[in-house]
Amino acid sequence: EVLLVQSGAEVRKPGESLKISCKGSGYSFPDYWIAWVRQLPGKGLEWMGVIYPGDSDTRYSPSFEGQVTISADKSIRTAYLQWSSLQASDTAMYYCAKTYSSVWPENFEYWGRGTLVTVSS
Amino acid sequence: QSVLTQPASVSGAPGQRVTISCTGSSSNIGAGYDVHWYQQLPGTAPKLLIYRDIIRPSGVPDRFSGSKSDASASLAITGLQAMDEADYYCQSYDSSLRDVVFGGGTKVTVL
Repeated sequence: EVLLVQSGAEVRKPGESLKISCKGSGYSFPDYWIAWVRQLPGKGLEWMGVIYPGDSDTRYSPSFEGQVTISADKSIRTAYLQWSSLQASDTAMYYCAKTYSSVWPENFEYWGRGTLVTVSS
Repeated sequence: QSVLTQPASVSGAPGQRVTISCTGSSSNIGAGYDVHWYQQLPGTAPKLLIYRDIIRPSGVPDRFSGSKSDASASLAITGLQAMDEADYYCQSYDSSLRDVVFGGGTKVTVL
């Protein structure tokens, strides 16, 4: 069974840093892209970027490039999304998702349950 | 404003057929990029519903079907059920933006 287990909810103050995680199991982790998708409260889905754990090839949405960093450690089957300085506008649910194949672009076949990030002073 | 345009809401009575449109342009759907559809039930993560325009993943009822023509795609739900109340999103790729793009989402209400 394919599973993507995301880290728990986080509460941070503006200006703080944060790294959230997504651990994959039940498939060959290096061979499929892992994407991060943001959902602001009451809003739609926004693709942030994607990483191929096999060689760490990373692509960012122009909307998020420079704002976040995506990384992965294939030895522990985990992908990461990190911020160096959070803003209140980063308050959202963040989902990781595994692609259907190793081709890019691709659809997102399996999703994690999401990590709720709250940024408030 | 989303690159892919979806109606904000559609509704139908139980048993009826509803369709959700996803209108793009020559740099995304019209360029031949695949369209995928997701269902997001309240308070849950999105779920892949249709991929590569018309294919249903294993376990998705055949009440759900996808189609594509020119720069638009559609999701049809036949035999509408209360459990189908959810938000639905289309997704494709835009070669001009070099970006995965989602539609703004459509809320389906069962009357």
